[in-house]
Amino acid sequence: GAGVSQTPSNKVTEKGKYVELRCDPISGHTALYWYRQSLGQGPEFLIYFQGTGAADDSGLPNDRFFAVRPEGSVSTLKIQRTERGDSAVYLCASSQGRAGELFFGEGSRLTVL
Amino acid sequence: AQSVSQHNHHVILSEAASLELGCNYSYGGTVNLFWYVQYPGQHLQLLLKYFSGDPLVKGIKGFEAEFIKSKFSFNLRKPSVQWSDTAEYFCAVRLSGNTGKLIFGQGTTLQVKP
Repeated sequence: GAGVSQTPSNKVTEKGKYVELRCDPISGHTALYWYRQSLGQGPEFLIYFQGTGAADDSGLPNDRFFAVRPEGSVSTLKIQRTERGDSAVYLCASSQGRAGELFFGEGSRLTVL
Repeated sequence: AQSVSQHNHHVILSEAASLELGCNYSYGGTVNLFWYVQYPGQHLQLLLKYFSGDPLVKGIKGFEAEFIKSKFSFNLRKPSVQWSDTAEYFCAVRLSGNTGKLIFGQGTTLQVKP
Protein backbone atom coordinates (compact mmCIF):
# COMPACT_ATOMS: atom_id res chain seq x y z
CA GLY A 1 0.00 0.00 0.00
CA ALA A 2 0.88 3.63 -0.17
CA GLY A 3 1.22 4.18 3.56
CA VAL A 4 1.78 2.42 6.85
CA SER A 5 -1.16 0.18 7.66
CA GLN A 6 -2.15 -0.82 11.19
CA THR A 7 -4.75 -3.31 12.30
CA PRO A 8 -6.99 -3.38 14.15
CA SER A 9 -7.85 0.30 14.30
CA ASN A 10 -9.69 -0.30 17.55
CA LYS A 11 -9.36 -3.09 20.08
CA VAL A 12 -11.32 -3.45 23.30
CA THR A 13 -10.20 -6.20 25.63
CA GLU A 14 -10.52 -7.25 29.24
CA LYS A 15 -7.82 -7.00 31.85
CA GLY A 16 -5.57 -10.03 31.77
CA LYS A 17 -6.15 -10.90 28.12
CA TYR A 18 -3.53 -11.22 25.37
CA VAL A 19 -3.49 -8.74 22.48
CA GLU A 20 -1.69 -8.57 19.14
CA LEU A 21 -1.38 -5.41 17.07
CA ARG A 22 -0.16 -5.58 13.50
CA CYS A 23 1.84 -3.11 11.41
CA ASP A 24 2.42 -3.29 7.66
CA PRO A 25 5.13 -0.73 6.77
CA ILE A 26 5.71 1.07 3.50
CA SER A 27 7.19 -1.35 0.99
CA GLY A 28 10.98 -1.22 0.97
CA HIS A 29 11.32 0.54 4.32
CA THR A 30 13.92 -1.28 6.37
CA ALA A 31 13.35 0.55 9.65
CA LEU A 32 10.19 0.07 11.71
CA TYR A 33 9.22 1.74 14.98
CA TRP A 34 6.51 1.20 17.57
CA TYR A 35 5.34 4.09 19.71
CA ARG A 36 2.62 4.45 22.34
CA GLN A 37 0.57 7.62 22.74
CA SER A 38 -1.55 8.29 25.77
CA LEU A 39 -4.18 11.03 25.88
CA GLY A 40 -2.60 14.47 26.00
CA GLN A 41 0.93 13.16 25.54
CA GLY A 42 3.40 12.88 22.73
CA PRO A 43 4.33 9.53 21.22
CA GLU A 44 6.53 7.46 23.51
CA PHE A 45 9.14 5.21 21.89
CA LEU A 46 8.78 1.47 22.47
CA ILE A 47 10.98 -0.48 20.05
CA TYR A 48 12.89 -0.11 16.77
CA PHE A 49 13.61 -2.76 14.16
CA GLN A 50 16.26 -2.59 11.48
CA GLY A 51 15.36 -5.47 9.21
CA THR A 52 14.33 -8.49 11.25
CA GLY A 53 16.19 -7.64 14.43
CA ALA A 54 15.18 -5.39 17.28
CA ALA A 55 17.99 -2.81 17.27
CA ASP A 56 16.62 -0.90 20.25
CA ASP A 57 13.95 -2.18 22.63
CA SER A 58 14.77 0.21 25.44
CA GLY A 59 11.27 1.69 25.45
CA LEU A 60 9.35 -1.50 26.17
CA PRO A 61 7.86 -0.88 29.63
CA ASN A 62 8.14 -4.44 30.94
CA ASP A 63 8.32 -8.07 29.88
CA ARG A 64 4.60 -8.21 29.09
CA PHE A 65 5.40 -6.35 25.89
CA PHE A 66 7.11 -8.07 22.99
CA ALA A 67 7.41 -7.35 19.27
CA VAL A 68 8.54 -9.37 16.27
CA ARG A 69 9.33 -8.74 12.63
CA PRO A 70 10.21 -12.20 11.34
CA GLU A 71 10.60 -11.42 7.64
CA GLY A 72 11.74 -7.82 7.87
CA SER A 73 8.42 -6.40 6.76
CA VAL A 74 5.22 -6.83 8.82
CA SER A 75 5.61 -6.46 12.56
CA THR A 76 3.42 -7.58 15.44
CA LEU A 77 3.35 -5.98 18.87
CA LYS A 78 2.24 -8.47 21.50
CA ILE A 79 0.95 -7.57 24.94
CA GLN A 80 0.40 -10.27 27.52
CA ARG A 81 -1.80 -10.04 30.62
CA THR A 82 -3.09 -6.62 29.64
CA GLU A 83 -3.64 -4.01 32.32
CA ARG A 84 -5.88 -0.94 32.32
CA GLY A 85 -2.77 1.22 32.15
CA ASP A 86 -1.93 -0.28 28.76
CA SER A 87 -4.86 1.61 27.24
CA ALA A 88 -3.43 3.96 24.61
CA VAL A 89 -3.00 4.45 20.89
CA TYR A 90 -0.19 2.29 19.57
CA LEU A 91 1.54 3.88 16.60
CA CYS A 92 3.75 2.25 14.03
CA ALA A 93 6.15 4.12 11.78
CA SER A 94 8.58 3.11 9.07
CA SER A 95 11.50 4.77 7.32
CA GLN A 96 14.15 4.11 4.73
CA GLY A 97 16.97 3.34 7.09
CA ARG A 98 17.51 4.90 10.49
CA ALA A 99 18.27 8.38 9.15
CA GLY A 100 15.14 8.73 7.06
CA GLU A 101 11.87 10.49 7.69
CA LEU A 102 9.40 8.49 9.77
CA PHE A 103 6.02 7.79 8.17
CA PHE A 104 3.31 6.98 10.68
CA GLY A 105 0.24 4.81 10.48
CA GLU A 106 -3.12 5.83 11.90
CA GLY A 107 -2.59 3.79 15.02
CA SER A 108 -4.38 1.04 16.90
CA ARG A 109 -6.47 2.28 19.80
CA LEU A 110 -6.33 -0.24 22.64
CA THR A 111 -8.84 -0.07 25.48
CA VAL A 112 -8.41 -2.42 28.40
CA LEU A 113 -11.52 -2.70 30.56
CA ALA B 1 17.88 11.60 30.05
CA GLN B 2 17.24 13.40 26.82
CA SER B 3 13.94 15.26 26.67
CA VAL B 4 11.91 17.59 24.51
CA SER B 5 9.79 20.38 26.00
CA GLN B 6 6.94 22.17 24.32
CA HIS B 7 5.96 25.04 26.54
CA ASN B 8 2.60 25.87 24.99
CA HIS B 9 0.10 23.11 25.66
CA HIS B 10 -2.95 24.78 24.20
CA VAL B 11 -2.95 27.81 21.91
CA ILE B 12 -6.04 29.60 20.62
CA LEU B 13 -5.67 32.09 17.76
CA SER B 14 -7.92 33.91 15.35
CA GLU B 15 -7.44 33.45 11.63
CA ALA B 16 -4.63 35.57 10.16
CA ALA B 17 -2.83 35.80 13.49
CA SER B 18 0.84 34.87 13.63
CA LEU B 19 1.93 31.66 15.28
CA GLU B 20 5.02 30.67 17.19
CA LEU B 21 5.25 27.38 19.07
CA GLY B 22 8.20 26.80 21.32
CA CYS B 23 10.35 23.67 21.41
CA ASN B 24 13.45 23.07 23.50
CA TYR B 25 15.50 19.93 23.86
CA SER B 26 18.09 18.74 26.31
CA TYR B 27 21.03 17.12 24.53
CA GLY B 28 24.48 18.52 23.96
CA GLY B 29 25.40 16.60 20.83
CA THR B 30 24.37 16.71 17.19
CA VAL B 31 20.65 16.40 16.61
CA ASN B 32 18.13 16.15 13.83
CA LEU B 33 14.95 18.12 14.53
CA PHE B 34 11.40 17.62 13.35
CA TRP B 35 7.94 19.09 13.60
CA TYR B 36 5.02 16.75 13.03
CA VAL B 37 1.34 17.69 12.78
CA GLN B 38 -1.72 15.61 13.53
CA TYR B 39 -4.97 16.91 12.08
CA PRO B 40 -8.18 15.71 13.73
CA GLY B 41 -8.76 12.05 12.89
CA GLN B 42 -5.58 11.73 10.85
CA HIS B 43 -2.14 10.26 11.33
CA LEU B 44 1.03 12.14 12.19
CA GLN B 45 2.53 13.93 9.20
CA LEU B 46 5.89 15.61 8.80
CA LEU B 47 5.75 19.41 8.60
CA LEU B 48 9.46 20.09 8.34
CA LYS B 49 12.86 18.84 9.42
CA TYR B 50 16.34 20.11 10.12
CA PHE B 51 19.42 17.97 9.59
CA SER B 52 22.19 20.49 8.86
CA GLY B 53 22.96 23.69 6.96
CA ASP B 54 20.69 26.74 6.96
CA PRO B 55 19.09 26.87 10.43
CA LEU B 56 15.91 28.41 9.00
CA VAL B 57 13.94 25.63 7.39
CA LYS B 58 10.74 25.88 5.44
CA GLY B 59 8.09 23.22 5.43
CA ILE B 60 4.70 22.55 3.97
CA LYS B 61 1.68 24.85 4.23
CA GLY B 62 3.72 27.98 4.92
CA PHE B 63 5.33 26.74 8.13
CA GLU B 64 8.94 27.41 9.01
CA ALA B 65 11.20 26.73 11.96
CA GLU B 66 14.49 28.12 13.18
CA PHE B 67 17.18 26.05 14.84
CA ILE B 68 19.09 28.06 17.44
CA LYS B 69 21.86 25.79 18.67
CA SER B 70 22.90 28.03 21.56
CA LYS B 71 19.38 27.96 22.94
CA PHE B 72 18.69 24.28 22.17
CA SER B 73 15.52 25.47 20.47
CA PHE B 74 13.59 24.73 17.30
CA ASN B 75 10.53 26.99 17.32
CA LEU B 76 7.79 26.63 14.75
CA ARG B 77 6.34 29.72 13.07
CA LYS B 78 3.69 30.70 10.60
CA PRO B 79 2.98 34.35 9.69
CA SER B 80 -0.77 33.93 9.20
CA VAL B 81 -2.73 30.93 10.42
CA GLN B 82 -5.86 29.52 8.84
CA TRP B 83 -8.76 27.64 10.37
CA SER B 84 -7.44 24.50 8.63
CA ASP B 85 -4.27 24.70 10.75
CA THR B 86 -6.28 23.53 13.76
CA ALA B 87 -4.36 20.44 14.85
CA GLU B 88 -1.90 19.03 17.34
CA TYR B 89 1.75 19.85 16.76
CA PHE B 90 4.66 17.76 17.98
CA CYS B 91 8.32 18.64 18.11
CA ALA B 92 10.75 15.70 17.94
CA VAL B 93 14.48 15.16 18.22
CA ARG B 94 16.69 12.42 16.88
CA LEU B 95 20.10 12.06 18.46
CA SER B 96 22.91 11.72 15.96
CA GLY B 97 24.48 8.28 16.01
CA ASN B 98 21.47 6.86 17.78
CA THR B 99 19.22 4.09 16.53
CA GLY B 100 17.10 6.57 14.62
CA LYS B 101 14.29 6.80 17.12
CA LEU B 102 12.61 10.14 17.63
CA ILE B 103 11.98 11.60 21.06
CA PHE B 104 8.76 13.61 21.05
CA GLY B 105 7.54 16.53 23.07
CA GLN B 106 4.13 16.37 24.71
CA GLY B 107 2.48 18.31 21.91
CA THR B 108 0.68 21.63 21.48
CA THR B 109 -2.96 21.80 20.56
CA LEU B 110 -3.65 24.71 18.22
CA GLN B 111 -7.20 25.93 17.82
CA VAL B 112 -7.79 28.54 15.13
CA LYS B 113 -11.06 30.42 15.32
CA PRO B 114 -12.63 31.41 11.98
